Amino acid sequence: DAKTTQPPSMDCAEGRAANLPCNHSTISGNEYVYWYRQIHSQGPQYIIHGLKNNETNEMASLIITEDRKSSTLILPHATLRDTAVYYCIVRVAGANNLFFGTGTRLTVIP
Amino acid sequence: GAGVSQSPSNKVTEKGKDVELRCDPISGHTALYWYRQRLGQGLEFLIYFQGNSAPDKSGLPSDRFSAERTGESVSTLTIQRTQQEDSAVYLCASSLAVTGGPGNTIYFGEGSWLTVV
Repeated sequence: DAKTTQPPSMDCAEGRAANLPCNHSTISGNEYVYWYRQIHSQGPQYIIHGLKNNETNEMASLIITEDRKSSTLILPHATLRDTAVYYCIVRVAGANNLFFGTGTRLTVIP
Repeated sequence: GAGVSQSPSNKVTEKGKDVELRCDPISGHTALYWYRQRLGQGLEFLIYFQGNSAPDKSGLPSDRFSAERTGESVSTLTIQRTQQEDSAVYLCASSLAVTGGPGNTIYFGEGSWLTVV
């Protein structure tokens, strides 16, 4: 069962920041939040993950609330190539796989 | 190569035939996963390997599906007597280890697209 809730779709203007929310209110203390995206006809691409602290890499930033019940993935300057389905996933400690929910379909508009 | 490699990238087969799909994980990754994704749908977990062992095969859709891994490297997913509902992209992924801690990020290949006609 999915442990995350995401909006089914979002639009973002090209060049603007895309903020993708995710609720994971039942997350446990030793569970990580992972974000992947899947561009049409490609395999899922790892973006970022975090436990408690905010994280940033060359692709995105991950903001996790203090109570860890929600997080936001931020693409600082969205481009048309960022159009994809974005998956927020809670990785259960010791779990043997990632459970992909339905994700958020982000459309970047010119 | 640097990433997870899958072959064939595309396969069209006749109903009733057997198919084999191959996955080469990232070098050094002990964990390997297989997923299925039907057109327009989400990812469906099939099976994972820790080393050459598959502790849980309950995700395989039917007994027509089997998978093996050798040398803690290459894995093969075999579908016997293919049916039209088997048409999907089959995604392979790998990670350093199974548990969800840091450093165990799962990386995916580009998939093998299977069409059963």
